Amino acid sequence: DAGVTQSPTHLIKTRGQQVTLRCSPKSGHDTVSWYQQALGQGPQFIFQYYEEEERQRGNFPDRFSGHQFPNYSSELNVNALLLGDSALYLCASSLGQVQETQYFGPGTRLLVL
Amino acid sequence: KQEVTQIPAALSVPEGENLVLNCSFTDSAIYNLQWFRQDPGKGLTSLLLIQSSQREQTSGRLNASLDKSSGRSTLYIAASQPGDSATYLCAVKGYSSASKIIFGSGTRLSIRP
Repeated sequence: DAGVTQSPTHLIKTRGQQVTLRCSPKSGHDTVSWYQQALGQGPQFIFQYYEEEERQRGNFPDRFSGHQFPNYSSELNVNALLLGDSALYLCASSLGQVQETQYFGPGTRLLVL
Repeated sequence: KQEVTQIPAALSVPEGENLVLNCSFTDSAIYNLQWFRQDPGKGLTSLLLIQSSQREQTSGRLNASLDKSSGRSTLYIAASQPGDSATYLCAVKGYSSASKIIFGSGTRLSIRP
């Protein structure tokens, strides 16, 4: 049973570019949440997708957007990248919106130069 | 607004010692509290989840307690081993279905052989 997978593992972009990160949830899970984790900090909630709609959103600008597909996989898009967007981006999946237990992927390390 | 604090930010102890990691939160109206482990540059692994109605949870050498009235949780690690070296994060979720999971900044634990 595959757990949560994310791609790519590492990414280097320059300021102003756009990036797309991908996540496949754990088998049987239908909810995907995205987090940003800066170095030395705890993860910060970006948004949650359930039934192909954004259900909750943290304090992130509109440059951060997402999508969930019918197979429950999800994408995180970030436009007009800033240096401060450099972080580990974590995807977590769960069954239902209550998020009883979230299972995290290994993350995508994004470096913006 | 819920805030989660973990003190100390870093801790180094010799192998074999029992130790306690602390987590405090400002809003006692939580749905659950979860402890995670994170190895450097990796995703999060769930260790223990405590529902608001519970006082503690145990898994092997780990024991987590919850005191909602004082806004505190502790993670007790017995007979520490070098393999326990990692960052430990606590996260709380409120009762509302719209509540986000709020993480602390973590305690970086180093077990000296």
